[in-house]
Amino acid sequence: QVPLQESGPGLVKPSGTLSLTCSVSGGSMNDFAWSWIRQPPGKGLEWIGYIYHTGSTNYNPSLKSRVTISIDTSKNQFSLNLASVTAADTAVYFCARMYNFFDSWGQGSLVTVSS
Amino acid sequence: EIVLTQSPDFQSVTPKEKVTITCRASQNIGSSLHWYQQKPDQSPNLIIRYASQSLSGVPSRFSGSGSGTDFTLTINSLEAEDAATYYCHQSTSSPHTFGQGTKLEIK
Repeated sequence: QVPLQESGPGLVKPSGTLSLTCSVSGGSMNDFAWSWIRQPPGKGLEWIGYIYHTGSTNYNPSLKSRVTISIDTSKNQFSLNLASVTAADTAVYFCARMYNFFDSWGQGSLVTVSS
Repeated sequence: EIVLTQSPDFQSVTPKEKVTITCRASQNIGSSLHWYQQKPDQSPNLIIRYASQSLSGVPSRFSGSGSGTDFTLTINSLEAEDAATYYCHQSTSSPHTFGQGTKLEIK
């Protein structure tokens, strides 16, 4: 396992863009995929997408039109942008390391969509 | 999309009891099924990978079984610290999906 830490605004206005960054402490980003997962308050887990160190991505079709995941291996960081947000996007957003399974998770970042 | 259905949704159990949680996939996923434990206000924690592989640091009372479409997470001799919500997750095909979760309450 490696420590991961999400950062970014906790409040986003409707129709705006949600932006989060995940910082990875230690180790190489080359051997894994780096993923975003979200959890609406009181609900279950939803996979958003992942990225490899090469920049290759895979997104959940339910969010694909609004999601962009990027990576900066020189900073050991990867980021999530979710456009055109609504109240339904209010959730705790987790970043995670993926090797088929998710074996390291960040603590989660609550993002509320509200005016 | 592969749908994972867990049962039960909720279970109230006493310490030392044996608990079984099932996860059924809508199509064959081989052994690409993983289990997570999530305690309140914490991130999920991987406890079983590839249906039955145990992990270092996870108590031996946790075990998994199954393949194809039917999977089971078993907790032998439940302890108070096992109060949590448990999720299954499949990685066979995109999109990755999770079960709806099973909440364990300790009496």
